[in-house]
Amino acid sequence: QVQLVQSGAEVKKPGASVKVSCKTSGYTFTRYGITWVRQVPGQGLEWMGWISGHNGITNIAQKFQGRVTMTTDTSTSTAYMELRSLRSDNTAVYYCARDSRSGTYYGVFDYWGQGTLVTVSS
Amino acid sequence: DIQMTQSPSSLSASVGDRVTITCRASQGISNSLAWYQQKPGKAPKLLLSAASRLETGVPSRFSGSGSGTDYTLTISSLQPEDFATYYCQQSYSTPRTFGQGTKVEIK
Repeated sequence: QVQLVQSGAEVKKPGASVKVSCKTSGYTFTRYGITWVRQVPGQGLEWMGWISGHNGITNIAQKFQGRVTMTTDTSTSTAYMELRSLRSDNTAVYYCARDSRSGTYYGVFDYWGQGTLVTVSS
Repeated sequence: DIQMTQSPSSLSASVGDRVTITCRASQGISNSLAWYQQKPGKAPKLLLSAASRLETGVPSRFSGSGSGTDYTLTISSLQPEDFATYYCQQSYSTPRTFGQGTKVEIK
């Protein structure tokens, strides 16, 4: 069965960086893209960007460009999202999610990780 | 960016009620609309895509409709496990955008 398992909760100081992992299983990693979505506690969902599992091409939301790097390791079927220059308003749950269609940048997400809470506090 | 506006933001309903949630896009999205259900402390769950296509395993009491800029999620007979927050999301263009959510609470 398809599974996306994310790394554990993190506590970071302002200005630091965090790298969240999303280890996948149960499907051919290189055939599907991975999207990252964040959710500030008590608020809605925000799309951060997408990375191809095939060739690592990314499409990152403008508000995160320059601070977010998305990468993959096809040898371990794992996707990563690094957020730099953390601020207190970056405190959120970060989710990875799989595109529901293979081989295309479809933009609908059928399997999700459990979420990783990143707390930014001095 | 395409703005997605859901209404209402919250509603109270009883088990067995018919519930309708509306999602309006700031421009036409050609049925490129998905609906998700999220329960507290859990990841969102995909319910429908392409405005009306029910995902495998999702109960048939959930249905979607609409076209152009206006879309609807209907729960025909609300069940106890349906109390949750529902989000619409457009997949028409990048950046993908979500509605602000509709919280369905027990009356």
